[in-house]
Amino acid sequence: GENVEQHPSTLSVQEGDSAVIKCTYSDSASNYFPWYKQELGKRPQLIIDIRSNVGEKKDQRIAVTLNKTAKHFSLHITETQPEDSAVYFCAASISSGSARQLTFGSGTQLTVLP
Amino acid sequence: DAGVIQSPRHEVTEMGQEVTLRCKPISGHDYLFWYRQTMMRGLELLIYFNNNVPIDDSGMPEDRFSAKMPNASFSTLKIQPSEPRDSAVYFCASSLTGSEAFFGQGTRLTVV
Repeated sequence: GENVEQHPSTLSVQEGDSAVIKCTYSDSASNYFPWYKQELGKRPQLIIDIRSNVGEKKDQRIAVTLNKTAKHFSLHITETQPEDSAVYFCAASISSGSARQLTFGSGTQLTVLP
Repeated sequence: DAGVIQSPRHEVTEMGQEVTLRCKPISGHDYLFWYRQTMMRGLELLIYFNNNVPIDDSGMPEDRFSAKMPNASFSTLKIQPSEPRDSAVYFCASSLTGSEAFFGQGTRLTVV
């Protein structure tokens, strides 16, 4: 099955700096890559996603890049703010017929220092 | 829409007791997923349904775990008998296409 590795496990940045979280996946059939943000004690929430036919996607301060050849994708947060502090999860999904497999990375605890 | 609704939010039970977790997916979503989250193992997919039919239950840890989806608006995850190592946060998520998953608030289960 799919295996998703995520790095780093913890990341501290100064407010206003950029943060980058990287993930690799193993199954070249994966074609959908979402990122989730989970604040303490709350549910994971989808913040951005990218499909395999696109190399980059941006939404305000958040961007995601995908390198299908190398099988890795990254989350970039610019101008970080304290409210960006949370655990971020990457995931990879294989869609085939009615079959769906969303495999999550192990998470990155991001702390934005004021 | 109120989103995915799970109940109860918190459950404390004694080892050996039966536990039933409930989920109401977003109306119109054809996919329903049950996940378990622990510090050690992260987010694990237990089982998912498409149009009320279980598609993949390979993530269900043991026969003590079972899940049902009797109709499009309700699903249950049952643990019988429960054990302390089952303590975790259990999330239900639903999806229109099977890709974008929307999570419920989760049920924090503690088995003592």
